[in-house]
Amino acid sequence: GQQLNQSPQSMFIQEGEDVSMNCTSSSIFNTWLWYKQEPGEGPVLLIALYKAGELTSNGRLTAQFGITRKDSFLNISASIPSDVGIYFCAGVSGTYKYIFGTGTRLKVLA
Amino acid sequence: NAGVTQTPKFQVLKTGQSMTLQCAQDMNHNSMYWYRQDPGMGLRLIYYSASEGTTDKGEVPNGYNVSRLNKREFSLRLESAAPSQTSVYFCASGHEPWQPQHFGDGTRLSIL
Repeated sequence: GQQLNQSPQSMFIQEGEDVSMNCTSSSIFNTWLWYKQEPGEGPVLLIALYKAGELTSNGRLTAQFGITRKDSFLNISASIPSDVGIYFCAGVSGTYKYIFGTGTRLKVLA
Repeated sequence: NAGVTQTPKFQVLKTGQSMTLQCAQDMNHNSMYWYRQDPGMGLRLIYYSASEGTTDKGEVPNGYNVSRLNKREFSLRLESAAPSQTSVYFCASGHEPWQPQHFGDGTRLSIL
């Protein structure tokens, strides 16, 4: 089935560092979403993007809807230990189907 | 503030057994979804219900059935469980199909 290419697959960073991750696709999406999943829990919505070029922040998180509508980016500034988890992107098509990325596993070293 | 509630949280089945996973949401959402999550595969849509009274197949519907019992509840049934259905199952809901989905905490299902 169709999936998004999400990178990196995993990353170790030092506390206080900034983090960047992205999702790319060959398909155009109308909406991009970013979720975070912690062990034993379901994904929790972080940011929703509805327009090409849109830049939206949620605290230390900033996400962008790519101009081509085929990609999206998530940045986390000044990472802290509780940022640990798996970050998923999701693209929503014109037929309202969600396509999820395979996730970026983030580990923060104190 | 429960949001999306899934039961049970864990289940072990033998091959060939049947099982119904329950999902209920208290956010008055119209749309509900069932996903499975497997290592390295992300979330894959099994079935969805865009509104009460309708259900449609997703990406991986084989071996599953669903029932939208009412606006709040959407159940997933495995009629004859197979080891390939070992996975974590997530239910989600959203106001409308184009709006962000909110997830439950999952059901961890193992089939021996």
